Amino acid sequence: AAGVIQSPRHLIKEKRETATLKCYPIPRHDTVYWYQQGPGQDPQFLISFYEKMQSDKGSIPDRFSAQQFSDYHSELNMSSLELGDSALYFCASSLRDRGFSGNTIYFGEGSWLTVV
Amino acid sequence: DQQVKQNSPSLSVQEGRISILNCDYTNSMFDYFLWYKKYPAEGPTFLISISSIKDKNEDGRFTVFLNKSAKHLSLHIVPSQPGDSAVYFCAAAVWGAQKLVFGQGTRLTINP
Repeated sequence: AAGVIQSPRHLIKEKRETATLKCYPIPRHDTVYWYQQGPGQDPQFLISFYEKMQSDKGSIPDRFSAQQFSDYHSELNMSSLELGDSALYFCASSLRDRGFSGNTIYFGEGSWLTVV
Repeated sequence: DQQVKQNSPSLSVQEGRISILNCDYTNSMFDYFLWYKKYPAEGPTFLISISSIKDKNEDGRFTVFLNKSAKHLSLHIVPSQPGDSAVYFCAAAVWGAQKLVFGQGTRLTINP
């Protein structure tokens, strides 16, 4: 079965550069979530989208923006990168009509961002 | 403000024994709790969950216990197997809010 696809899997950027991460949800899933996991830290919720509209916002810096497109894929744009942005960025997807439960949220393998 | 806490960063257990992973939370609004398992270079995978109307949920070798008055939950794995070696994250949510709050994770190592 198709899973959540994230690209790129690894990305190295310099300080003050811009990075874009992409997330392709499981087909027919209408909700996408972004999480950030810094080294040795727990995953932190950044932002979520439902039917291409922002549905919830967490600890996402103002330098970051995200959107969900008509094909339901989502992109996380990060500008003016800082060393502290180095982290593993997870995307997850779910189908809202299925209800909210752990076994309806599927995570991608993550995108490693290293800022040097 | 860490709303979900896993105070043990690591745990080693002998194969065949019981593994007990603990999690505490501070937000009394949380009414749904989940455990995720994560292998290196992979995304978290769902393991088991429990809603606040229950105090126990069992699925095969995995059992989650919830003590609402103590704001504490635990995951029991019995018997522990080498393939259980991974990082385990506790997560909490307010039902319907569609946002998970994760703990820091506990690295479980099962020794043969």
